Amino acid sequence: GAGVSQSPRYKVAKRGQDVALRCDPISGHVSLFWYQQALGQGPEFLTYFQNEAQLDKSGLPSDRFFAERPEGSVSTLKIQRTQQEDSAVYLCASSPGMGLEETQYFGPGTRLLVL
Amino acid sequence: GNSVTQMEGPVTLSEEAFLTINCTYTATGYPSLFWYVQYPGEGLQLLLKATKADDKGSNKGFEATYRKETTSFHLEKGSVQVSDSAVYFCALSDMNTGNQFYFGTGTSLTVIP
Repeated sequence: GAGVSQSPRYKVAKRGQDVALRCDPISGHVSLFWYQQALGQGPEFLTYFQNEAQLDKSGLPSDRFFAERPEGSVSTLKIQRTQQEDSAVYLCASSPGMGLEETQYFGPGTRLLVL
Repeated sequence: GNSVTQMEGPVTLSEEAFLTINCTYTATGYPSLFWYVQYPGEGLQLLLKATKADDKGSNKGFEATYRKETTSFHLEKGSVQVSDSAVYFCALSDMNTGNQFYFGTGTSLTVIP
């Protein structure tokens, strides 16, 4: 497909469970972003990759959150020991170059519900 | 720090009405400014952007001008259509302060025939 894809689209987890969310960016895109969007709010920045390098992870809310992009394409956001406050939509976006002024192309998101 | 403040919604307009959605920002450097839109059932997509002061971004009849003196980037459209019903997000990026991207809380627009 031509766009950014994310899987799973929906995830229900029990509190304390670990989850892994996958993002397939547009082929060849250098930059990749993860965001967390709570209900009725705007996306909140989590982390940024340029190729395989994680250049900014200042938005990750705790050390339970971990992201990787080992080969500079697919990225995984992992949340360990999930808590109810982690319930949100997790968005992935990619852009072709390295500049933050570039257009970001968003995936459909993964809706995570922690019970 | 950097932040974006958006006009709260929801906004309901009749078709062909004039639209303004206010957006102001706080930034320590020289940010780039964006409007993203999310149509029902779809992902976020870029509507328009401006990368320096006095630039005007435009797309699909929407316009926004980067005003450094008032730190604003208000979205306008002269005549809205039912198909413009969506949630609109103002956003900024500022490379001088890192690689973060800041979104406003979003403004829901409903256009009625």
